[in-house]
Amino acid sequence: EPEVTQTPSHQVTQMGQEVILRCVPISNHLYFYWYRQILGQKVEFLVSFYNNEISEKSEIFDDQFSVERPDGSNFTLKIRSTKLEDSAMYFCASSEGMAGRTDTQYFGPGTRLTVL
Amino acid sequence: AQKITQTQPGMFVQEKEAVTLDCTYDTSDPSYGLFWYKQPSSGEMIFLIYQGSYDQQNATEGRYSLNFQKARKSANLVISASQLGDSAMYFCAMREGRGGNNRLAFGKGNQVVVIP
Repeated sequence: EPEVTQTPSHQVTQMGQEVILRCVPISNHLYFYWYRQILGQKVEFLVSFYNNEISEKSEIFDDQFSVERPDGSNFTLKIRSTKLEDSAMYFCASSEGMAGRTDTQYFGPGTRLTVL
Repeated sequence: AQKITQTQPGMFVQEKEAVTLDCTYDTSDPSYGLFWYKQPSSGEMIFLIYQGSYDQQNATEGRYSLNFQKARKSANLVISASQLGDSAMYFCAMREGRGGNNRLAFGKGNQVVVIP
């Protein structure tokens, strides 16, 4: 069964460093998303991406964040200068994008980012 | 304002018993979708079940069923015949609009522990 994959599973970085989190969405899906979950808290939306551009972003997704689809399969989240409060589990998700149908978002296993 | 409310404290359930997890939501959009995800201790987010706002019948998926009461804006998840592997956090989420590029808003989750 197709699934969303994410690498790495765990990333440790120093404050101020840049990190790139990678995702491979399900191959026939058109919409891609990033969410984050700070330890013990609920899952929060960061950004959605369609047709090679950002469709929607939350207030969390400031200038430190960027997303890219560098090729036909990967979808990346870059954090330019990490802060301690960026420590969280980051989930990538994808959906078919068929309006009017279920359009379930399927999540990857997550990347746990630890900023020291 | 909270879009999704999950207020139950952690729950202990006897194996083979049924458990109901409460979820209430708030939206003024007539078209929306409600989702339940399971997050085991390993951290991944697993899609369980979906209910559309226009669906006439309550959704069912194996041992999972959704008690959808539209007038009360509630979408409770029922897990029948609990198994040890059902021990996890369970998140209710809502997508406003008709799918395709719409963010999910999550509740804070319900912790379930199944005891033998």
